[in-house]
Amino acid sequence: NAGVTQTPKFRILKIGQSMTLQCTQDMNHNYMYWYRQDPGMGLKLIYYSVGAGITDKGEVPNGYNVSRSTTEDFPLRLELAAPSQTSVYFCASSYSGHSGNTIYFGEGSWLTVV
Amino acid sequence: DQQVKQNSPSLSVQEGRISILNCDYTNSMFDYFLWYKKYPAEGPTFLISISSIKDKNEDGRFTVFLNKSAKHLSLHIVPSQPGDSAVYFCAAKDSNYQLIWGAGTKLIIKP
Repeated sequence: NAGVTQTPKFRILKIGQSMTLQCTQDMNHNYMYWYRQDPGMGLKLIYYSVGAGITDKGEVPNGYNVSRSTTEDFPLRLELAAPSQTSVYFCASSYSGHSGNTIYFGEGSWLTVV
Repeated sequence: DQQVKQNSPSLSVQEGRISILNCDYTNSMFDYFLWYKKYPAEGPTFLISISSIKDKNEDGRFTVFLNKSAKHLSLHIVPSQPGDSAVYFCAAKDSNYQLIWGAGTKLIIKP
């Protein structure tokens, strides 16, 4: 039972480079999320999706893009990496968005922009 | 403006004793609260939750208390075990069904 799988686990980017964080879930969940966690801070929602073909901005969407072409996959795109995007990124999924205890998280992706 | 605050970055407790982790919030419209536990290099995992219509919820060694008038909730772990050493996040669900997270408290259980 894989749950939520995100790759890569670690990545160093140069300023201005682009990359995609991959996320896939095998639980047939409708909702998927991307969070970032900065040192000493709580999780901040970047983007979320309530189903295939539908995405919405969260609290901190600037500098990111997402797509949801399938139920399973929810990639996060950084177009022009900036040092402010150095963070730990968590992908998550849930069956519905109405009950927080059904949210399952991936193991995290550590991104450093230099 | 942090709507959910965990004012203690870390807490050290002797094995077998009670661990009490605190969380304060500012938005009286929050109606559901959760605690998540996170080990290093892993994603957060759900621990326990409480609805705003209750003041206590218990699950084994874990109990969450909610004081709505004080906008305060706490997580009690009794007895504390070495495997409880982790970062604990408090989160609150807002009217848009989004979770607002605290910064976390690192709990260290001493043998």
